[in-house]
Amino acid sequence: AQSVTQLGSHVSVSEGALVLLRCNYSSSVPPYLFWYVQYPNQGLQLLLKYTSAATLVKGINGFEAEFKKSETSFHLTKPSAHMSDAAEYFCAVSDRGSSNTGKLIFGQGTTLQVKP
Amino acid sequence: DTEVTQTPKHLVMGMTNKKSLKCEQHMGHRAMYWYKQKAKKPPELMFVYSYEKLSINESVPSRFSPECPNSSLLNLHLHALQPEDSALYLCASSQDPANTEAFFGQGTRLTVV
Repeated sequence: AQSVTQLGSHVSVSEGALVLLRCNYSSSVPPYLFWYVQYPNQGLQLLLKYTSAATLVKGINGFEAEFKKSETSFHLTKPSAHMSDAAEYFCAVSDRGSSNTGKLIFGQGTTLQVKP
Repeated sequence: DTEVTQTPKHLVMGMTNKKSLKCEQHMGHRAMYWYKQKAKKPPELMFVYSYEKLSINESVPSRFSPECPNSSLLNLHLHALQPEDSALYLCASSQDPANTEAFFGQGTRLTVV
């Protein structure tokens, strides 16, 4: 079975500082991994995805993530935080076992606070 | 058009009411999903429709009844809900179940009184 663990339920950075949000996964098959962002009272917006191509994935809004199989990690980074990055971030793995259901399994989420 | 549209955005209903949530996409996606999200929690899958057939029901109570009238529409019929059912209900779609790049709607904020 697939699962995702996000380390740190709350991360606070200063504007202009590096953003690092941690995600570790467990999967019995090669995983498809995703990062989503959710602003207050909004739906989820896909930031980036890993589907077994390049291990360094670039997404929208300057975010990128690196798939590291040896560490079972898919951490999200952004070189310079902007006030508009303050939001909830979810890492997710797809249910790609024999059933291939399309189900996304989410981590508990990380709240990113950006201080001026 | 890469949007998933959900209506209404907000809904307040009594425990004896019947209401429906609607979801529409015009991306030609053949998999559609309902997720429930409680405050400060991740979304939890409720139902999956694959090629207009219900493929997954995550042990959801029968007071929630999904319907997929055609490949573009997904409804969630609500009846005799409980206050603990108050949550953000998110609809999503993907090209097919094997392609789980899901596009989410903005959600319906449901309050049961």
